[in-house]
Amino acid sequence: GQQLNQSPQSMFIQEGEDVSMNCTSSSIFNTWLWYKQDPGEGPVLLIALYKAGELTSNGRLTAQFGITRKDSFLNISASIPSDVGIYFCAGQLGGGSEKLVFGKGTKLTVNP
Amino acid sequence: EAGVVQSPRYKIIEKKQPVAFWCNPISGHNTLYWYLQNLGQGPELLIRYENEEAVDDSQLPKDRFSAERLKGVDSTLKIQPAELGDSAVYLCASSLEGLAGEQYFGPGTRLTVT
Repeated sequence: GQQLNQSPQSMFIQEGEDVSMNCTSSSIFNTWLWYKQDPGEGPVLLIALYKAGELTSNGRLTAQFGITRKDSFLNISASIPSDVGIYFCAGQLGGGSEKLVFGKGTKLTVNP
Repeated sequence: EAGVVQSPRYKIIEKKQPVAFWCNPISGHNTLYWYLQNLGQGPELLIRYENEEAVDDSQLPKDRFSAERLKGVDSTLKIQPAELGDSAVYLCASSLEGLAGEQYFGPGTRLTVT
């Protein structure tokens, strides 16, 4: 089945630093999404990408849909303590499939 | 606007017991999803409903899991009998039809089977 390889698995950074994480797959996806999950909560959608090559920002977050349709990255600039959490990438297959495939997540720790 | 509501938030049961989870999606969202999330993993789809019709249940272990969405609004996921390996978080999500990428998740039910 389709799998998403998300890296890194975890990151420990200082407040104010920039962060970059990415997701790759051997499958082509029509949509890439990035979610954040806090402890004890469900994932919250951060950014949705619909076109190959698309670069989209949401505040300090920037994500890109790779031109091969097989990868995506998420950057967080000037990290703050509330950025702590687990970030998941997800890809939606094409061909009429509504299914989302999730990566295993990147756990981000921000030291004040 | 209220988000996706799930109950209970936590459930502890002994193996071989039945358990049920309830979900109320965002008003107007006709697509509803049930996901399983194991520790350290991303959510994995169990079943997807379009209104009251289950349109993708290929990942639902039908020998012990069942789900229903009788009136096309709220939904129930049941496990009977539960096994130790069923311990996980069960997430419900909803979206507008055709916008599967923009799913809104509930807080989940954390199930512990002892």
